[in-house]
Amino acid sequence: GEDVEQSLFLSVREGDSSVINCTYTDSSSTYLYWYKQEPGAGLQLLTYIFSNMDMKQDQRLTVLLNKKDKHLSLRIADTQTGDSAIYFCADSTLTFGKGTMLLVSP
Amino acid sequence: DTGVSQNPRHKITKRGQNVTFRCDPISEHNRLYWYRQTLGQGPEFLTYFQNEAQLEKSRLLSDRFSAERPKGSFSTLEIQRTEQGDSAMYLCASSLMTRDRGQRRPFYEQYFGPGTRLTVT
Repeated sequence: GEDVEQSLFLSVREGDSSVINCTYTDSSSTYLYWYKQEPGAGLQLLTYIFSNMDMKQDQRLTVLLNKKDKHLSLRIADTQTGDSAIYFCADSTLTFGKGTMLLVSP
Repeated sequence: DTGVSQNPRHKITKRGQNVTFRCDPISEHNRLYWYRQTLGQGPEFLTYFQNEAQLEKSRLLSDRFSAERPKGSFSTLEIQRTEQGDSAMYLCASSLMTRDRGQRRPFYEQYFGPGTRLTVT
């Protein structure tokens, strides 16, 4: 089946930028997603990108897509302590990565 | 509308028992999805419905798992003869088709419920 891989942990200081990376295998995915999961809370769609785009910006979030390398990244500018959570990428087959835990220290 | 709701929120059962979970989607959403999430893993897609039709069930984990959405509104997920390995969080999501500006393909934004935590002893 299809696979989605992510690094498991990222630690940054408040105010820095965070970059979370993801690789996927499904070359036919029409869109790719980033979800956020906070402790004790449900999954929330953060942003998504269509496969015919290279970049999408939404306020502090920037998604970059490299279709040739099947690589997706999520950049969070000016990271805040409230951004501490687990971030999942997912492809169009609804295959999720294991999640990247982002820890933001003051 | 308060979003996707799931009941019960927690279920403890003995190995070998059957369990059933319920999901109530957002009212105008025509698609409904079930996932399983174990500790340290991402959600694992199980099945989904469009209205009352179950369009994908090949990823249900075994024939002990089944789901229904008889009237195209709420859905139930049943696990028969539970095993300790079934202990997990079971998530439900619902979505409505939209179109992103400038895109021809439809997009389905999924809204997740809080989940039902199953513990099999």
